[in-house]
Amino acid sequence: EVEVLESGGGWVQPGGSLRLSCVSSGFTFSFFAMTWVRQAPGKGLEWVSGISGVGDTTDYADSVKGRFTISRDNSKNTLYLQMNSLGVEDTAVYYCAKVRAMDFDYWGQGTLVTVSS
Amino acid sequence: QSALTQPRSVSGSPGQSVTISCTGTSSDVDNSNYDSWYQQHPGKAPKLMIYDVNKRPSGVPDRFSGSKSGNTASLTISGLQAEDEADYYCCSYAGSYTWVFGGGTKLTVL
Repeated sequence: EVEVLESGGGWVQPGGSLRLSCVSSGFTFSFFAMTWVRQAPGKGLEWVSGISGVGDTTDYADSVKGRFTISRDNSKNTLYLQMNSLGVEDTAVYYCAKVRAMDFDYWGQGTLVTVSS
Repeated sequence: QSALTQPRSVSGSPGQSVTISCTGTSSDVDNSNYDSWYQQHPGKAPKLMIYDVNKRPSGVPDRFSGSKSGNTASLTISGLQAEDEADYYCCSYAGSYTWVFGGGTKLTVL
């Protein structure tokens, strides 16, 4: 059974940093791209970042480019999102999802990031 | 990276059919055969309902179908049931590990 579990969310002041983790099981992690998607309170889904299976290709939404870094450790079946220079607009539930081919077939339950003074 | 355009809300009675549209641009929906649709109930993670424009993952009822014409993808739900009430999001692959979502549509089953 495929499982995806995020962690690392919490409260942080504006300008601060946070690192999210996502541990996966039930599939060969290195074979699949992974992605982060976020959802601000009461708002829709926003794609944040994606990474290839071997980790050599990454991309970001314009809203986070230069501030967020996606990475993965295939030996630990873990995906990361390093978030720097956080602003109140980054407050959201952050979901980790497995990329099936060009879509997202398994999602975690999300981890809440709150940026507030 | 502009969001795809969806109606904010649609509604229908049990047993009826509803269609949710998703309009993009030449850089996403128009040039992509990788449109997908996600269902999200309140407080829950999104669930993949349609991929590659019109394919259903195992376990998704055949009441859910997808189609596309030009730069507009569509999700049709036939034989509406109470449990279909949820938010629905379209998504299009825009190349090089980049995706764009629609703004979401709230489906109300009357």
